[in-house]
Amino acid sequence: KQEVTQIPAALSVPEGENLVLNCSFTDSAIYNLQWFRQDPGKGLTSLLLIQSSQREQTSGRLNASLDKSSGRSTLYIAASQPGDSATYLCAVRAPFGKGTMLLVSP
Amino acid sequence: GAGVSQSPRYKVAKRGQDVALRCDPISGHVSLFWYQQALGQGPEFLTYFQNEAQLDKSGLPSDRFFAERPEGSVSTLKIQRTQQEDSAVYLCASSTYNNEQFFGPGTRLTVL
Repeated sequence: KQEVTQIPAALSVPEGENLVLNCSFTDSAIYNLQWFRQDPGKGLTSLLLIQSSQREQTSGRLNASLDKSSGRSTLYIAASQPGDSATYLCAVRAPFGKGTMLLVSP
Repeated sequence: GAGVSQSPRYKVAKRGQDVALRCDPISGHVSLFWYQQALGQGPEFLTYFQNEAQLDKSGLPSDRFFAERPEGSVSTLKIQRTQQEDSAVYLCASSTYNNEQFFGPGTRLTVL
């Protein structure tokens, strides 16, 4: 059974800092991996989708990498802003991690 | 175009009542997922449809939970004899085959 783990569970950084969120999964036979953002009381917004044949995807200040052999993905956020404060979730199709709660302070 | 919609957005039920939650996926999306999200937790997988076929229902917590998608489009998640532990946000997502999932706003269920 696929299990997804996210570290850290919470992260607090000052504005402007670059940061990395980690996601690990136990079964490397995946179709894709998706990163989401969730604001309090809101639904999930898709940030990036990495297909199993890809190693990374970029969107603006966000870069996600995928290493299937080691069962890891990272989400890199450059020059963080207070508006980036949210919970970030990774999903391997259906199983989700529990998320990383990010707080960016001005 | 229109995204995934869910109704109702909020539902309050008395313990023991039956509830039905509706999901309208993005038109043309063959895959549909239901998730349960408790407060402060990540979404937990409940069930998955490909068109009208329910291919995976391993996440349904008990036989009180039932989902259907009879025409391969709209889906309904039904919970019979609701219990307090069923209180959660129920999320629906749709995708083209093996591609990006798009989520609806969720239905917040409160069982009193």
